Formats: sequence, structure tokens, C-alpha cells
Amino acid sequence: GAVVSQHPSRVICKSGTSVKIECRSLDFQATTMFWYRQFPKKSLMLMATSNEGSKATYEQGVEKDKFLINHASLTLSTLTVTSAHPEDSSFYICSVPTRGLGTEAFFGQGTRLTVV
Amino acid sequence: DQQVKQNSPSLSVQEGRISILNCDYTNSMFDYFLWYKKYPAEGPTFLISISSIKDKNEDGRFTVFLNKSAKHLSLHIVPSQPGDSAVYFCAAYSGGSNYKLTFGKGTLLTVNP
Repeated sequence: GAVVSQHPSRVICKSGTSVKIECRSLDFQATTMFWYRQFPKKSLMLMATSNEGSKATYEQGVEKDKFLINHASLTLSTLTVTSAHPEDSSFYICSVPTRGLGTEAFFGQGTRLTVV
Repeated sequence: DQQVKQNSPSLSVQEGRISILNCDYTNSMFDYFLWYKKYPAEGPTFLISISSIKDKNEDGRFTVFLNKSAKHLSLHIVPSQPGDSAVYFCAAYSGGSNYKLTFGKGTLLTVNP
């Protein structure tokens, strides 16, 4: 069964609206989760590190006011794309590091965001 | 600056033959390397990994080779099966990075029946 559950898998929204994506760790507690974004024919680009109970750490070039991350519990991190624009359309994926259990990261199923 | 490079965007092989996927890295601080397989519209799934203290790790049909001096690793799949058709990502991290993975751009493997 899935270790990391990401929801929704697909969302279409209008420009200017906000979209929330959830990432749940099902089998273990996660003090850290990672959010990635994948552009077509590009690698997975790390956007930010979500830290339980504290502020997220954003990678260079990622607008923290645009991509709001909340990690309120040890099993849930959310990414909110605020005031979405068509250029925000992408595939967003979360991951949970497993810290030595062999795979180092389980990934969610991903969310295909389309902003129209 | 891309720290993990997969220079072949695609690879096509015949069923039953060997598939060899290559990956180069530039960051000498990386000490753990992983291969992920990804189908369209799904998250990556872990395939196999190797620590920098090893030069080979084998798991069934999958073998990863690491050449530290050349900063190069490769994934061998033998025999290749049509179900192996997917995008394969090479990833790496350093022990001090809080398990933050750096990915290559991926290689699309197509295994023809």
C-alpha cells in the first residue's frame, strides 16, 4: 500500500484562485517533507523543505509567498499555490525521507495542476 | 548548475537485452545515490541505491555500478522487459543535506517487445 498519499491527483483552477495540495505520511511520522515540481522534460526540482512545527525552507528562486507550506502535524504537509497563474501549471510531488530504511524517500502520487 | 546529469534523454532496447542507463555527478559531497522509476502522472518509485563506499549493488534484474573517481554511475537492467518502459531518474544526496535529493533530468527507457 501507499506510504505517502498526495491529494488531489489532478486539479484545474482559474487564474487568480488558490489551490491546496495535501501530502500525508501514512506509515510513519515525518518531521520533514519535501516538495518538488516537475516541468515537462525536466528533472524534479526541489521547491522547499517542509518542517513540522516551524517555517519551511525554500530553495533559491522559489517565492515563499506564492507557495505557502504548512506542516502542522507529523503526518501532514500542505502546499498552497496562491493566486495561481498559467505558468504555475505543473506536476507537484511531495516526498517523505525515511532516514535509513533503505529507500531514503517515498514519494506521493503527484498532483497535476492546470491553471486556466 | 546541474549537479546530477543524465545526458541521454531516451533509450530504446529490445526485450530480453540489457538496458544501461548512465548518470554523472559533479558534487563530490554526494555519498548516496539512488535510481527511481517514474510512470506518467505518478510519483517516482524507488528502484535501487548505492552508498559511496561500494562500487556495485545488485537486486534481481537491476544492478547499479558506481565509479567514484569518474563521478559516474550506471543502472543495468537485464533482461529488459516491456514493463520496464518508464522514465528513470538518477538522484543523489549528501549525508549532511537532511536527505534532500538532487535529481537528474531523467532518461525515458522504451523496451520493445
